[in-house]
Amino acid sequence: EVQLVQSGAEVKKPGESLKISCKGSEFTFSNYWIAWVRQMPGKGLEWMGIVYPLTSDAIYSPSFQGQVTISVDKSINTAYLQWSALKASDTAIYYCARNQGPFDLWGQGTLVTVSS
Amino acid sequence: EIVLTQSPATLSLSPGERATLYCGASQTVSNNYLAWYQQKPGLAPRLLIYDASTRATGIPDRFSGSGSGTDFTLTISRLEPEDFAVYYCQHYGRSSWTFGQGTKVDIK
Repeated sequence: EVQLVQSGAEVKKPGESLKISCKGSEFTFSNYWIAWVRQMPGKGLEWMGIVYPLTSDAIYSPSFQGQVTISVDKSINTAYLQWSALKASDTAIYYCARNQGPFDLWGQGTLVTVSS
Repeated sequence: EIVLTQSPATLSLSPGERATLYCGASQTVSNNYLAWYQQKPGLAPRLLIYDASTRATGIPDRFSGSGSGTDFTLTISRLEPEDFAVYYCQHYGRSSWTFGQGTKVDIK
């Protein structure tokens, strides 16, 4: 089945680091830009950034530039989203999505909870 | 960056009724690069419409998209029970993707 499978829920303390993952299967992962989207509790969708597995080129939304790092390992068809120092305001569900212009395939989401 | 504004924020309708959702852009959307998504509680969004009016694979024909320039519409011709959800529009362009704030369609 063509799918994106994300890593499981995380509970972290403020200041901790975190890296979550998104693994593609049954499609040529390297051919597609992979995006990350944030959804804060009870709120809408926000595009964070996007990465191209073939070159590892990443583009960030101005709102998230410098706040997160998006990377990829094409050898294992996996994209990553990472934080060096989490804040309580990073509490949200994070989705990865395959880019075809629109986002045609979505991961199931990773809930990140940041609380002291 | 294009800003998308959706209206209304909430639409209260009964099954079988027609739903009309609006998405306005702060500047012209080139090539009609405008998509619509449906999101149900606890689930990831699902692509419904892209290029303003093309239904994605497997989407029922009661969903239709229209519009161009700065004004776009998603119409659900007859609401089914499974259509009550939140709907988002999205612009996709050169190195920029933005979402509207969403319209919730709930049961009257």
